[in-house]
Amino acid sequence: DTGVSQDPRHKITKRGQNVTFRCDPISEHNRLYWYRQTLGQGPEFLTYFQNEAQLEKSRLLSDRFSAERPKGSFSTLEIQRTEQGDSAMYLCASSLGLATNSYNEQFFGPGTRLTVL
Amino acid sequence: AQTVTQSQPEMSVQEAETVTLSCTYDTSENNYYLFWYKQPPSRQMILVIRQEAYKQQNATENRFSVNFQKAAKSFSLKISDSQLGDTAMYFCAFMKLGFGGATNKLIFGTGTLLAVQP
Repeated sequence: DTGVSQDPRHKITKRGQNVTFRCDPISEHNRLYWYRQTLGQGPEFLTYFQNEAQLEKSRLLSDRFSAERPKGSFSTLEIQRTEQGDSAMYLCASSLGLATNSYNEQFFGPGTRLTVL
Repeated sequence: AQTVTQSQPEMSVQEAETVTLSCTYDTSENNYYLFWYKQPPSRQMILVIRQEAYKQQNATENRFSVNFQKAAKSFSLKISDSQLGDTAMYFCAFMKLGFGGATNKLIFGTGTLLAVQP
């Protein structure tokens, strides 16, 4: 399978616990995005990596959130001290970005659904 | 800042009929793309169709076509010969293009839930 994969698909945790999600992009894709989708809303941009460099973070990404892409391949998104408001679907997308002034399709993973009790 | 608005939370259509989903957006940019994404129940988001802002010709992909009105900042999706498999949440999205370190992130609307009835 050459699509974007995410693990786990579902995560239930108690408030205050830490959680970590993993995203494996399509191989050779240098760009990786994290989005958050709450119930009844469209996905909202969280952060973006080009290779291993994190180039943009949304204001939505509080200091409890941290993302890494250590070798420019897979990425992790960690949420510390989870709150009930963190309950959402966390989507990862990747693209092959050759130039920022040209189109590059983002391919989405299936998402990780987080429920904070 | 760019915004995308979808004013139809839910729509329903009979199988084999045609339906149009509406989307408006706000931007001061000239160089951008618009998209329609489909998110089936419990399945991942897939791209349906895209439109380059500098192209006047409306994009078409098989049964899917768009009506792009740049001056009005309107971008509607028409689905012809609706099929049961078209049942999904549909999101309109905007992408600004840029030079240097531009992110090319997607800005989504709130979605329209389309139900195709047999």
